[in-house]
Amino acid sequence: DVKVTQSSRYLVKRTGEKVFLECVQDMDHENMFWYRQDPGLGLRLIYFSYDVKMKEKGDIPEGYSVSREKKERFSLILESASTNQTSMYLCASSLGTGVDTQYFGPGTRLTVL
Amino acid sequence: AQSVTQLGSHVSVSEGALVLLRCNYSSSVPPYLFWYVQYPNQGLQLLLKYTSAATLVKGINDFEAEFKKSETSFHLTKPSAHMSDAAEYFCAASGSARQLTFGSGTQLTVLP
Repeated sequence: DVKVTQSSRYLVKRTGEKVFLECVQDMDHENMFWYRQDPGLGLRLIYFSYDVKMKEKGDIPEGYSVSREKKERFSLILESASTNQTSMYLCASSLGTGVDTQYFGPGTRLTVL
Repeated sequence: AQSVTQLGSHVSVSEGALVLLRCNYSSSVPPYLFWYVQYPNQGLQLLLKYTSAATLVKGINDFEAEFKKSETSFHLTKPSAHMSDAAEYFCAASGSARQLTFGSGTQLTVLP
């Protein structure tokens, strides 16, 4: 079974802090994704990566950055957390093309105070 | 650019009744289409996907969906709801690109 793990299930940070969310997949997938999930808005893509050290902006990249130094690990960074970044963050991975299933981690619920 | 619309943010059905969750997509080219389910406090799991092989797609837990190009729809159905089906359901689409576009989700409540 594909396994996607996220470093924390719940996280509480203060405004202005730098926040790191880590995601690891164990299936040698090419693609990795970061989404945020908000009620009534579904999932919105923040960033994705299709190869090590490669990244592309999604629909809502402002206020976020990412890092992919190794194939299995994809990090989401909030340079200076703000209250409007309080959300559920979901990481996913997939093998290759658009037809391939994305496999999701359990999510990190981030609260910024 | 693709968009996915899910009609009804909340749907309630009685246990044993038909489940129908609606999804419409907007795309100039028929995309790949997916239904995912999210149980409380969990990530998303794939229910089924359409990849142009057959218009009626069967998934896990007796769910199925039918691709109708003329209606640009991909509605999800299940003949008989079970209490364990209570969850949030997301329709999603992708084209030749690798990323998915998600609908806003439908929360399914199953009443005893």
